[in-house]
Amino acid sequence: AAGVIQSPRHLIKEKRETATLKCYPIPRHDTVYWYQQGPGQDPQFLISFYEKMQSDKGSIPDRFSAQQFSDYHSELNMSSLELGDSALYFCASSYASGAEQYFGPGTRLTVT
Amino acid sequence: GIQVEQSPPDLILQEGANSTLRCNFSDSVNNLQWFHQNPWGQLINLFYIPSGTKQNGRLSATTVATERYSLLYISSSQTTDSGVYFCAVDSGNTPLVFGKGTRLSVIA
Repeated sequence: AAGVIQSPRHLIKEKRETATLKCYPIPRHDTVYWYQQGPGQDPQFLISFYEKMQSDKGSIPDRFSAQQFSDYHSELNMSSLELGDSALYFCASSYASGAEQYFGPGTRLTVT
Repeated sequence: GIQVEQSPPDLILQEGANSTLRCNFSDSVNNLQWFHQNPWGQLINLFYIPSGTKQNGRLSATTVATERYSLLYISSSQTTDSGVYFCAVDSGNTPLVFGKGTRLSVIA
């Protein structure tokens, strides 16, 4: 069965650089979620989209922005990167808001 | 917002032993999921179980929604079961809120 695809899987950036993470949801899933997991922490919700519209927002820094495109893939844009942004970033998708979420393999971002 | 507490925080088992992990939540839930995060960081869906009981091989889960808790049972544990087990809930059209997890180590 098709799963959530994330790219890249690993990313190394320097402070103050920008990064773009991509997420391709499971086909026919209309809701995409982004989570951030710091070292030794549980995943924290950042932002979600339903039918290409932002549906909910968590503790996402103003330096981060995201969108969902017409083909339902989503991108998380991160600017002015800080050391504290080093984390595992997960994308998840579901066929409806509130339904079971399926997680991608994650993008491991390291900021040096 | 909804609170999620998992216990125990850490667990060490001998291979072949059984274990029970607990997840308590502070409000009624629309969705409850159990995940296994393996040593490579991947979050693997184990169960979608807002209520009732489910079984999948050596794993089973029970959620008693009226009493606001869920249990994950692991039988005949194997070294590949090692990792962190997360419980995550949403209270209705809200994002998942994760517990702090139970870190399981299975020793051969």
